[in-house]
Amino acid sequence: EIVLTQSPGTLSLSPGERATLSCRASQTVGKNYLAWYQQKPGQPPRLLVYNPSTRATGIPDRFSGSGSGTDFNLTISRLEPEDFAVYSCHQYAYSPLTFGGGTRVEIK
Amino acid sequence: QITLKESGPTLVKPTQTLTLTCTLSGFSVSDEYVGVVWIRQPPGKALEFLALSYWNDDNHYSPSLRTRLTITKDTSKNQVILTMTNMDPVDTGTYFCGKSAGWLVDYWGQGAQVTVSS
Repeated sequence: EIVLTQSPGTLSLSPGERATLSCRASQTVGKNYLAWYQQKPGQPPRLLVYNPSTRATGIPDRFSGSGSGTDFNLTISRLEPEDFAVYSCHQYAYSPLTFGGGTRVEIK
Repeated sequence: QITLKESGPTLVKPTQTLTLTCTLSGFSVSDEYVGVVWIRQPPGKALEFLALSYWNDDNHYSPSLRTRLTITKDTSKNQVILTMTNMDPVDTGTYFCGKSAGWLVDYWGQGAQVTVSS
């Protein structure tokens, strides 16, 4: 089973700042099948990017995914008020599917 | 428009069996290279994969919960059903179903809140 470790646990930033979130896998993620989700309280996760740099439909270009092998990043170039949420990475290369523990992006 | 909706009991007693139904709209359980996945989230905690039913009846389960889970399809109703036996308070949380393209979960239901308590 691939374990995904996200860092930091919490990121305190101001609107307009740049956010960089990290996801490290315990072994190589085949075909770089790594995705990122955004989740707000009381809502299901929302797919942001996958493969790992393809944005999902309707996702603004301030969200970008990068990385390969075992190290992946999600970057939000300029934080908007609606971007403060929890972000989770997910590998879909191998069964069982696994998720990271999440990074909370909060308003500083 | 693709939607998924979870349904089932909100409260179950310890040792009971939980049955959750995911009703699909906008796609079929039989569509090629499509799967339906169940994922749960305890309050304030991370997402946890439970089970996946792929279009060709290839099913996958969480290794740690494998003995308690069964995922089945009702093609006539376009539904996917998850049963989980021997429920415990630690199983309390929100249970989501999702559509997968390949194994990437690209659409999610709103989730069903399940509390395990006597």
